[in-house]
Amino acid sequence: DQQVKQNSPSLSVQEGRISILNCDYTNSMFDYFLWYKKYPAEGPTFLISISSIKDKNEDGRFTVFLNKSAKHLSLHIVPSQPGDSAVYFCAAITSGTYKYIFGTGTRLKVLA
Amino acid sequence: EAGVAQSPRYKIIEKRQSVAFWCNPISGHATLYWYQQILGQGPKLLIQFQNNGVVDDSQLPKDRFSAERLKGVDSTLKIQPAKLEDSAVYLCASSLGVGASTDTQYFGPGTRLTVL
Repeated sequence: DQQVKQNSPSLSVQEGRISILNCDYTNSMFDYFLWYKKYPAEGPTFLISISSIKDKNEDGRFTVFLNKSAKHLSLHIVPSQPGDSAVYFCAAITSGTYKYIFGTGTRLKVLA
Repeated sequence: EAGVAQSPRYKIIEKRQSVAFWCNPISGHATLYWYQQILGQGPKLLIQFQNNGVVDDSQLPKDRFSAERLKGVDSTLKIQPAKLEDSAVYLCASSLGVGASTDTQYFGPGTRLTVL
């Protein structure tokens, strides 16, 4: 039972354009969401998060949007840079458990 | 600030052998997590410690996996005996342990285990 889904295993984008990574979830009890970035041979690093009481959170080039009615979140990277090439995981938490449920990841490739 | 340290980085063993992984969390972090990441999947939580007590080990295959955090700092994860399906990256993470959703987890580089 995959509660957090990233249906696009890979995505290629030209440098300078927008990258949009998507994540869907099924558990309506999730109330906090995070995005992690992972380079090869390294552990995931925290990128940005959003609480369910918000619908948008922005940090520099990275913006996360949350649509609770659709149980959908997305990560926008503008402008995309070659250094953004990595695997991106979304994760979800239910308050009180603090247990991260991860998606399967999307491999982003930014072409120079 | 030093990050989460893990060793070894790579390990190759035969099935039915034993293996142990070590993790040293970020200084001052009370909560420590072990995850298993199989190729093509997201990390899956195996066990969570708060100081030296187990908070959640519901997904730990206890017939072959064990973990301890005796002094509430570093931790070891052991597999005995290993199976082919245990081939994965084992990630350790730590967090402050403030008991909030905003308690961000920080990951180590992982140990890649190959079982032949």
